Amino acid sequence: DTAVSQTPKYLVTQMGNDKSIKCEQNLGHDTMYWYKQDSKKFLKIMFSYNNKELIINETVPNRFSPKSPDKAHLNLHINSLELGDSAVYFCASSQVRSSYNEQFFGPGTRLTVL
Amino acid sequence: KQEVTQIPAALSVPEGENLVLNCSFTDSAIYNLQWFRQDPGKGLTSLLLIQSSQREQTSGRLNASLDKSSGRSTLYIAASQPGDSATYLCAVSGGNQFYFGTGTSLTVIP
Repeated sequence: DTAVSQTPKYLVTQMGNDKSIKCEQNLGHDTMYWYKQDSKKFLKIMFSYNNKELIINETVPNRFSPKSPDKAHLNLHINSLELGDSAVYFCASSQVRSSYNEQFFGPGTRLTVL
Repeated sequence: KQEVTQIPAALSVPEGENLVLNCSFTDSAIYNLQWFRQDPGKGLTSLLLIQSSQREQTSGRLNASLDKSSGRSTLYIAASQPGDSATYLCAVSGGNQFYFGTGTSLTVIP
């Protein structure tokens, strides 16, 4: 029973295409996140949603649009893909209302833009 | 803005050694600090979480400490094994926001 799942695991596409990555968590958490991990392995937060409401929106091109249909899902849609978008994208979730607030990560989606 | 640094960036030790990984952060107003492990091509696995009111947490051969006033945390790994080889990341939480360190790549030589 995977706690945080992402699809697809690998995504190879041409520059200029539009693609989506899906994320689901079955932990009952109230907050979900998208992170980008670059080639140097540095993890940078992109978005955070709490109960379907956007609460963190870091400096990310507006070609990236997150969508949260419900608390358990946070999808990432990317328009007009560029070479620099190639990275590993991680989804995560946590229960912010809990003082513990432990983050759990999905397995990642490796995006390659050709 | 919170900045998180991990030293060293890479570490190579013979099997059986005890070792310490370091994590420092600039803003002591944190909710908690979490240590993760990342294997090549994989996601992050949570190892330990220390709440801001706590000083340390232990799980098996791992012990993490937190000194908020000095902005430091250490992850102690006892009797290292080749299976411990991975990248270790620390992250500090400021409520809704998590800030990650740059990671320490650990290699344990059999």
